[in-house]
Amino acid sequence: EAQVTQNPRYLITVTGKKLTVTCSQNMNHEYMSWYRQDPGLGLRQIYYSMNVEVTDKGDVPEGYKVSRKEKRNFPLILESPSPNQTSLYFCASSLGQGLKYYGYTFGSGTRLTVV
Amino acid sequence: AQSVTQLDSQVPVFEEAPVELRCNYSSSVSVYLFWYVQYPNQGLQLLLKYLSGSTLVKGINGFEAEFNKSQTSFHLRKPSVHISDTAEYFCAVSDQNAGGTSYGKLTFGQGTILTVHP
Repeated sequence: EAQVTQNPRYLITVTGKKLTVTCSQNMNHEYMSWYRQDPGLGLRQIYYSMNVEVTDKGDVPEGYKVSRKEKRNFPLILESPSPNQTSLYFCASSLGQGLKYYGYTFGSGTRLTVV
Repeated sequence: AQSVTQLDSQVPVFEEAPVELRCNYSSSVSVYLFWYVQYPNQGLQLLLKYLSGSTLVKGINGFEAEFNKSQTSFHLRKPSVHISDTAEYFCAVSDQNAGGTSYGKLTFGQGTILTVHP
């Protein structure tokens, strides 16, 4: 089944403890992206990647890191999480030429709570 | 820089009534436009998209949207809603690059919660 898989689905952590949320897609998509969703703010793009080793900042990159060493994986790293990073996070992927035709395919989300 | 404004945060309607969810965008270049739907406790699903050509775009579940370049709008409509349409709806915009594709930056609006009452 073609899908974007995020892990974990739920995570509670403490301020300052480094964490990684994994994302993997099995569709051979070039583009991958991370979003956070907060009530009243919609989805805001954190980072996106157009291919291996090619990443760019979205609208809210502060406090986050990403890497794209393999085409299928795009982990989101929080080096020192803070309570304002408590949010619902979505990973997404798309064919490079297909984003305009199909939009992004989204994962099921990771609910992160930082206490 | 691209941006999107959804003009209504919540829209309550009765079943079988028509509905319009409003979306305005801002960009300095040509754009691609999308509507997504998010059912409670689920991820996002693409409803429809506008690339070029006809300004009236039809999507899944009986939804359609009209692109209006002069008003920079992309409003979503459905002539008769069902209880099952209760969800949050997001408008999104992506700038076209020189090659006619997209860079991968997709900007979403704040969302509109559609609640359909019996």
